[in-house]
Amino acid sequence: QLQLQESGPGLVKPSETLSLTCTVSGGSISSSSYYWGWIRQPPGKGLEWIGSIYYSGSTYYNPSLKSRVTISVDTSKNQFSLKLNSVTAADTAVYYCARRARIAAAGTNYFDPWGQGTLVTVSS
Amino acid sequence: QSALTQPPSASGSPGQSVTISCTGTSSDVGGYNYVSWYQQHPGKAPKLVIYEVAKRPSGVPDRFSGSRFGNTASLTVSGLQAEDEADYYCSSYAGSNNFEVFGTGTKVTVL
Repeated sequence: QLQLQESGPGLVKPSETLSLTCTVSGGSISSSSYYWGWIRQPPGKGLEWIGSIYYSGSTYYNPSLKSRVTISVDTSKNQFSLKLNSVTAADTAVYYCARRARIAAAGTNYFDPWGQGTLVTVSS
Repeated sequence: QSALTQPPSASGSPGQSVTISCTGTSSDVGGYNYVSWYQQHPGKAPKLVIYEVAKRPSGVPDRFSGSRFGNTASLTVSGLQAEDEADYYCSSYAGSNNFEVFGTGTKVTVL
């Protein structure tokens, strides 16, 4: 059973860089049928797609965050990571990692499963 | 790309049905057969309940059903049960650079 687990600091100072890692267990990150994605949810608000990465390293970002976001993958560790720079209080959110089906290979599109999420607070 | 529009709340008594709408545009909901619905209980991660507009993942009760007409997708929960009380989010593939757009979310209350 595939599982994803987010890890990283729960508190980041304004203007600094938020860094999170998602560890995939129970399956390989090097699957042609899936992307690996990050989604966030500010407290009491809705979901926002941040971006996705393919195991080859191809990335896709939300245009609203593209200038500040970098997603990378380490297939040897079965992990992928998120970096968001120049953070402000507006970046305070629960950050989720999730597997995303790849239309070109799987013929479908959805996020499943999801990690449990990790709260990142931006505050001095 | 704007968030898909959902009503903030919906409710029904046990055993009744509730339907949630999700309105987008021809560039997302109306343009692709890739509308998904997620159930989120408080403090928990979202869980996939519908994908490709109307398909149910294994393990999801057939009380959950999806449909679409034009640029509006809908999720219907029939035979409401207490455990169906949760937030529900729609999402859609939006083409162009694998963009994914989520809905604003609907809180379903079982009276």
